[in-house]
Amino acid sequence: EVQLVQSGAEVKKPGESLRISCKVSGYSFTNYWITWVRQMPGKGLEWMARIDPSDSYTHYSPSFQGHVTISTDKSIDTAYLQWNSLKASDTAMYYCARSDETLIGLFDYWGQGTLVTVSS
Amino acid sequence: EIVLTQSPGTLSLSPGERATLSCRASQSVSGSHLAWYQQKPGQAPRLLIYGASSRATGIPDRFSGSGSGTDFTLTISRLEPEDLAVYYCQQYGSSQTFGHGTKVEIK
Repeated sequence: EVQLVQSGAEVKKPGESLRISCKVSGYSFTNYWITWVRQMPGKGLEWMARIDPSDSYTHYSPSFQGHVTISTDKSIDTAYLQWNSLKASDTAMYYCARSDETLIGLFDYWGQGTLVTVSS
Repeated sequence: EIVLTQSPGTLSLSPGERATLSCRASQSVSGSHLAWYQQKPGQAPRLLIYGASSRATGIPDRFSGSGSGTDFTLTISRLEPEDLAVYYCQQYGSSQTFGHGTKVEIK
């Protein structure tokens, strides 16, 4: 069974750093891209960035370039989304999702989401 | 960037009724690379339809997709209470973008 299991909810202060994770199982981690999607409170879905776990090639949305970093650890089938300096506006639910290399933007399985709250 | 406009914003129908959701693209979606996702309250999105009209694994046949070019439709033939959700269209033919969603309410 394909599963993407994300780390738990986080409460942080502005300026703090954070890394959230997405651990996959039930398929070969390096055969599918992982994408991170943001959903701000009461809002829609926004594509942030994606990574090819086979070679760590990354592609960032211009809206998020420079503010977040994505990475993977193939040894433990896990993808990460990281912030060096959080802002209040980063408060949102973050989802990881997988896609096939032939249809990179089509997400067939999603993680359950990680709620990030940034507040002073 | 291809902009997707979904309508209506909210649809309120009774169980058993037919729901028709629209997704219009600002330019033609290549290869009919148009998907629909369902997001129930408090849950992650779930893939319903891809390639404009193909149902994803495990999706009931009361969900169907149609359209090409710039105009696409998701139809729920007979609404059930568990279909309460926000439905998003997404194009993945040119990078990828999501619509803003249609909320389906059950009377």
